[in-house]
Amino acid sequence: KAGVTQTPRYLIKTRGQQVTLSCSPISGHRSVSWYQQTPGQGLQFLFEYFSETQRNKGNFPGRFSGRQFSNSRSEMNVSTLELGDSALYLCASSVRDSRERGKNIQYFGAGTRLSVL
Amino acid sequence: GIQVEQSPPDLILQEGANSTLRCNFSDSVNNLQWFHQNPWGQLINLFYIPSGTKQNGRLSATTVATERYSLLYISSSQTTDSGVYFCAVEIPRAGSYQLTFGKGTKLSVIP
Repeated sequence: KAGVTQTPRYLIKTRGQQVTLSCSPISGHRSVSWYQQTPGQGLQFLFEYFSETQRNKGNFPGRFSGRQFSNSRSEMNVSTLELGDSALYLCASSVRDSRERGKNIQYFGAGTRLSVL
Repeated sequence: GIQVEQSPPDLILQEGANSTLRCNFSDSVNNLQWFHQNPWGQLINLFYIPSGTKQNGRLSATTVATERYSLLYISSSQTTDSGVYFCAVEIPRAGSYQLTFGKGTKLSVIP
């Protein structure tokens, strides 16, 4: 079974531009979450989608948005890029394991490394 | 929100040595996972362990949920064990999966 796939792996943009990152979850997983990792703030939750609906959002400005398609693939968009948006963006997918109530294991992709110049 | 604290922040080991990494969390959790972040940035699942003890080869983990801590044991360390180890927890919140991460333990294993 293929893992979580993120594209592109690397991206260089300039301030003021916008960017779209893509995430394809593991087959059968319907929940997709996004995280930002920076040296200063560590790993921070951005948002989570399930069945095309945003269920939860972290403490990020409105410039950060996302969506999920009917095939569970997800995209996140950052508009009006700032230097501080330079980070590793990680996507995770998960499915609630019906064999064990409440069990949820998140599997991460390799990430997209965004540099804003 | 929930606080997740990992210790030590940095650890240097000679190859073959054993180590224990600790994760303390401030509230009840649904889910606790240990990850190893490789040099390319990918988070590799090590354990899903909201309670109890699990072992996988040279690695084992124990979570004592009532005392709000988890331990990751690495035995007979190898240079390939180097990297950053993260503990992440999910709090009970209806219908949403959100992991809160600790700041990690950076492990360096030297030959």
